[in-house]
Amino acid sequence: GENVEQHPSTLSVQEGDSAVIKCTYSDSASNYFPWYKQELGKRPQLIIDIRSNVGEKKDQRIAVTLNKTAKHFSLHITETQPEDSAVYFCAASKRSNDYKLSFGAGTTVTVRA
Amino acid sequence: GAVVSQHPSWVICKSGTSVKIECRSLDFQATTMFWYRQFPKQSLMLMATSNEGSKATYEQGVEKDKFLINHASLTLSTLTVTSAHPEDSSFYICSARRDRSSGNTIYFGEGSWLTVV
Repeated sequence: GENVEQHPSTLSVQEGDSAVIKCTYSDSASNYFPWYKQELGKRPQLIIDIRSNVGEKKDQRIAVTLNKTAKHFSLHITETQPEDSAVYFCAASKRSNDYKLSFGAGTTVTVRA
Repeated sequence: GAVVSQHPSWVICKSGTSVKIECRSLDFQATTMFWYRQFPKQSLMLMATSNEGSKATYEQGVEKDKFLINHASLTLSTLTVTSAHPEDSSFYICSARRDRSSGNTIYFGEGSWLTVV
């Protein structure tokens, strides 16, 4: 099955700086890669996603890059704000598996004011 | 955006009793829903895939007789924890997949905190 690894497990950044989270996946057939933000005790919220036919996608301060050859994808948050503090999960899935998500272990991001 | 509602948000039950958690897609039809379990400070662990009108597919190590899943309609899936024990206490989250025309995006419910005493 799919194995998704996520690094780092914790990340502390100064407000205004950038944060980068990296994930690798094992199944070359995976073709959909969402990123979720989860605050304590709440549901994961989809913040951005990318499909395998695209190399990069940006939405305001958030961007995701995908390298299919290397099987890794990254989340970039620029101009971080205290409200960006949360746990971020990457995930990978494929159509043949009902788009069942395989999650990374999560990254706890703390933005210092 | 798409809305997935989960109920109840919190439930406390006595050991040995059963608890039912509902997951509803409010503004779209979901042929596929997923049930996850999450322990504190850990990732989401997939328990089973629920398909409308058919039996759920359980992940390895998940007891199908203990975690009963029913997906009777295109907007509702239920998870019943049978004969609950304290070790079943956890945060249970469902998710629903929108159809292909909407990009197969997956949305999560609010989650349900189960405490078995």
